[in-house]
Amino acid sequence: DGGITQSPKYLFRKEGQNVTLSCEQNLNHDAMYWYRQDPGQGLRLIYYSQIVNDFQKGDIAEGYSVSREKKESFPLTVTSAQKNPTAFYLCASSAVPGQGAGTEAFFGQGTRLTVV
Amino acid sequence: GEDVEQSLFLSVREGDSSVINCTYTDSSSTYLYWYKQEPGAGLQLLTYIFSNMDMKQDQRLTVLLNKKDKHLSLRIADTQTGDSAIYFCAESIRRSQGNLIFGKGTKLSVKP
Repeated sequence: DGGITQSPKYLFRKEGQNVTLSCEQNLNHDAMYWYRQDPGQGLRLIYYSQIVNDFQKGDIAEGYSVSREKKESFPLTVTSAQKNPTAFYLCASSAVPGQGAGTEAFFGQGTRLTVV
Repeated sequence: GEDVEQSLFLSVREGDSSVINCTYTDSSSTYLYWYKQEPGAGLQLLTYIFSNMDMKQDQRLTVLLNKKDKHLSLRIADTQTGDSAIYFCAESIRRSQGNLIFGKGTKLSVKP
């Protein structure tokens, strides 16, 4: 089945450690996105990529890094520079970056990261 | 500027209609979306409307768009307990390089 898969579902990290969240899609979508969700905050964009080997910072990119070496994959690394990393992280993909219906974003099931 | 506003909570009784409201600020929005999020899960696209439409109906869902007032609403008829979730309004803006702008979400609670 086509879809977007995030792993792991739950992740625990010790303070000072980097951790990488996986996002894979088999929808043949060009664009991929990472969002952070905190209670009462809605979704905030961390990074997005419209094409392989290219990505752009979103609204809250500090303390995060990404790569886009393959069309299917857009991993997010939460670095030790991120001061408050405990949150729910959502990955999404779309066919064409926000240009119309049929290009709506499809979301993964999320990864809940907790710093211990 | 880009901003999407929603009320945070809505409580209804099973069988009643629910109306979730959203306002947006960017008049260049081309498409407006409604997403549903169940606890601990990702977002599921419910429906969308193109900015030159006034209304769209899809089974129990009715979307109304007032472009003059930049107001969007989602009506759920015959609300069921399974409709309890957070509902996000989102707008698609050509200028923002592919990003959807989301509201903070409305938590719908359905009481039996």
